[in-house]
Amino acid sequence: SYELTQPPSVSVSPGQTASITCSGDKLGDKYACWYQQKPGQSPVLVIYQNSKRPSRIPERFSGSNSGNTATLTISGTQAMDEADYYCQTWDSSTTGVFGGGTKLTVL
Amino acid sequence: QITLEESGPTLVKPTQTLTLTCTFSGFSLSTSGVGVGWIRQPPGKALEWLALIYWDDDKRYSPSLKSRLIITKDTSKNQVVLSMTNMDPVDTATYYCAHSPVLGIGRRFDYWGQGTLVTVSS
Repeated sequence: SYELTQPPSVSVSPGQTASITCSGDKLGDKYACWYQQKPGQSPVLVIYQNSKRPSRIPERFSGSNSGNTATLTISGTQAMDEADYYCQTWDSSTTGVFGGGTKLTVL
Repeated sequence: QITLEESGPTLVKPTQTLTLTCTFSGFSLSTSGVGVGWIRQPPGKALEWLALIYWDDDKRYSPSLKSRLIITKDTSKNQVVLSMTNMDPVDTATYYCAHSPVLGIGRRFDYWGQGTLVTVSS
């Protein structure tokens, strides 16, 4: 089955740029989504179709996908962005798969 | 406004079958391209994709859990039901249902329920 690999944790200083990666075999040939999950809350979609943002998501969130890696980038990171982030894609049989999640710490 | 709400037992015994219901509003599961999926999350662990049913009754299951899962829909009641057989303590998790607005390259889960915690214990 298809697998997605994320770093367990990423740290960033307030106002700086955070990059969270998601790796999978030929992931660039697929489409990736990203979800933000804060403690005790349901996941929230922040990026879909590699780089599209839902209307309610701030412009500082962006995404890219090429080769074997999809990347979520948060520019001008704020304390409120501290959360777990999960990538997700769809394999060839149109079933979904999530990455293991990355804890973003803003310090 | 799209909303989804999960309901079902909070405690099940090992070997029992879990049945969860997702009741939704703000969209129709008879609209072309629309789907409702189930995702779970064990305490302190990652999200796991379980199953998804589309407007045309096409169903997709996680390969690792396919033999234990059944997903169905009742369009008239705006409900999707997930059944999971032979429950084990490792199945203890928060179970979420979520709305998928399109089939194709824009596939995503754009609205999620609040989740329901299911504990498997004797």
